[in-house]
Amino acid sequence: DQQVKQNSPSLSVQEGRISILNCDYTNSMFDYFLWYKKYPAEGPTFLISISSIKDKNEDGRFTVFLNKSAKHLSLHIVPSQPGDSAVYFCAASAGSGGNEKLTFGTGTRLTIIP
Amino acid sequence: NAGVMQNPRHLVRRRGQEARLRCSPMKGHSHVYWYRQLPEEGLKFMVYLQKENIIDESGMPKERFSAEFPKEGPSILRIQQVVRGDSAAYFCASSGGRNEKLFFGSGTQLSVL
Repeated sequence: DQQVKQNSPSLSVQEGRISILNCDYTNSMFDYFLWYKKYPAEGPTFLISISSIKDKNEDGRFTVFLNKSAKHLSLHIVPSQPGDSAVYFCAASAGSGGNEKLTFGTGTRLTIIP
Repeated sequence: NAGVMQNPRHLVRRRGQEARLRCSPMKGHSHVYWYRQLPEEGLKFMVYLQKENIIDESGMPKERFSAEFPKEGPSILRIQQVVRGDSAAYFCASSGGRNEKLFFGSGTQLSVL
């Protein structure tokens, strides 16, 4: 039962353009959402998060949008840079108000084309 | 480097052997989490520990798996009598408090022959 879904296994974007990574969830109890970035042979690194009381959170080139009615969130990266090439995981948690017991999606491999 | 340290990076075991995976949390962190990533899947929560206590083990398989985080020393994830289905990447993360950001280690890749 995949409660957090990332339906695009891979995405290629030209350098300088916008990268949009999507994530859907099924558990209506999720109230906190995070994006992690992972390079090969490394652990996931926290990127940005959003609480269910918000619909947008921005940090530099990264913006996360949350649409609760559609149970959908997206990560926008603009402008995309070669160093952004990595696997991006969407994650969610319920009730704890934070980072415990995260449920992860299967990841989207982003490739930035120079 | 004060990051989360996991060892070994790669571990090969034959079916029926025991696997011990170690995790030293970031300096000052007393909360440790173990996650497992099977091929083509996302990371799945296994267990959450604080020093000497298991807080949540709802993601741990009922048999053969155990975890500890002693007062002194690293957290240990122990898998007894390994089977091929245990082959996965095992990630440890630590945080300074219950609702604080997680920092992940580089993982241990377990291969069961």
